[in-house]
Amino acid sequence: GQQVMQIPQYQHVQEGEDFTTYCNSSTTLSNIQWYKQRPGGHPVFLIQLVKSGEVKKQKRLTFQFGEAKKNSSLHITATQTTDVGTYFCAGSLRVLPSNAGNNRKLIWGLGTSLGVNP
Amino acid sequence: GAGVSQSPRYKVAKRGQDVALRCDPISGHVSLFWYQQALGQGPEFLTYFQNEAQLDKSGLPSDRFFAERPEGSVSTLKIQRTQQEDSAVYLCASSPRLLAGRDTQYFGPGTRLTVL
Repeated sequence: GQQVMQIPQYQHVQEGEDFTTYCNSSTTLSNIQWYKQRPGGHPVFLIQLVKSGEVKKQKRLTFQFGEAKKNSSLHITATQTTDVGTYFCAGSLRVLPSNAGNNRKLIWGLGTSLGVNP
Repeated sequence: GAGVSQSPRYKVAKRGQDVALRCDPISGHVSLFWYQQALGQGPEFLTYFQNEAQLDKSGLPSDRFFAERPEGSVSTLKIQRTQQEDSAVYLCASSPRLLAGRDTQYFGPGTRLTVL
């Protein structure tokens, strides 16, 4: 079936080191969203990428969408303890049969849990 | 402004008991989603409403799960005859427009259900 894979599952870094999580889909995505979930919290929207090859930056976070719209990455430069949490990608796939307003579905990755040692 | 709220925040149920989980989406949001999140896992889609219409319930794991949104705002997820494998955090999310999969989803704090 349609899947969105995320790697790595866990990563611990020293504060100040960089971190990258990768998201791969078996099928072409309409768009991809990234969310962050702090321990004990709920997912919070970070960004949405729509265009092939798109790159967006939010301060120390850089998001990329692959040319084939099948993969994406989130890179954090110089991690801080406030970056701790689980980062999820969620890919939007066209589903059939389509109904008005319901021709796409978000498929979530399992997330990458980031730990940062101070 | 007010975000998505869910109640109760925590629910402990005995196996076989029925439970009802409530979601108050952001006012005016058209789309509403329910997800199930097991410990250490990502959110698993359960069902999707567009206003009062339940357009997708493909993620509901069994006929013990039922969701409704009768007036297109508040939604209730009901689980009948709860089982231990139903233990999880149940997340509700809403988004402002019709376009499922295209819009930002705003999540509530979740209801942590523990079935003993």
